[in-house]
Amino acid sequence: GNSVTQMEGPVTLSEEAFLTINCTYTATGYPSLFWYVQYPGEGLQLLLKATKADDKGSNKGFEATYRKETTSFHLEKGSVQVSDSAVYFCALSVFREGGSEKLVFGKGTKLTVNP
Amino acid sequence: NAGVTQTPKFQVLKTGQSMTLQCAQDMNHEYMSWYRQDPGMGLRLIHYSVGAGITDQGEVPNGYNVSRSTTEDFPLRLLSAAPSQTSVYFCASSYFSGDEQYFGPGTRLTVT
Repeated sequence: GNSVTQMEGPVTLSEEAFLTINCTYTATGYPSLFWYVQYPGEGLQLLLKATKADDKGSNKGFEATYRKETTSFHLEKGSVQVSDSAVYFCALSVFREGGSEKLVFGKGTKLTVNP
Repeated sequence: NAGVTQTPKFQVLKTGQSMTLQCAQDMNHEYMSWYRQDPGMGLRLIHYSVGAGITDQGEVPNGYNVSRSTTEDFPLRLLSAAPSQTSVYFCASSYFSGDEQYFGPGTRLTVT
């Protein structure tokens, strides 16, 4: 089946530090990959996505590259800010003939950035 | 364009009571879903719908009912609340099941 494994955290960084949150996946077929972010007290919102191998998704200074050879989609940011404190979810969906399958989410990684 | 709206934002129930969590979207999305979020468990899919009149179970459907009479609305009913249903509930919608999902702000439910 399809699954996503991401580092559980919590992750605590100082402002301006480099961030990596690891995400690996298992999928039958050709998945699309997503990172969602959940700020305190809010619902999830899409941060970035990539739909095919070697694609790089980017938004708000965050980046992730779809690596088919390592089945990974690690989230990175060069210099985090206090406002990046949130829970980050990696997710995938698989498109196949007849329709796509439901999104599968990782368990989330809580990031806290201290001033 | 309000996106996905959920009501109420907070709710406290006693064991055995029933209630309906409301969800509506104005984006003409065919796919809608309900998740619960518990600490350390991530998001778990309760029920989903691929269009008006069509619903199906997710991974944790017991104790919940849904219906989809219109494209816009997808209410979640708790039939007889139990403490194990204390959670944060999110409704989401998208054009199709594997597409980017738009989430509502959530309902925090406590069952005592």
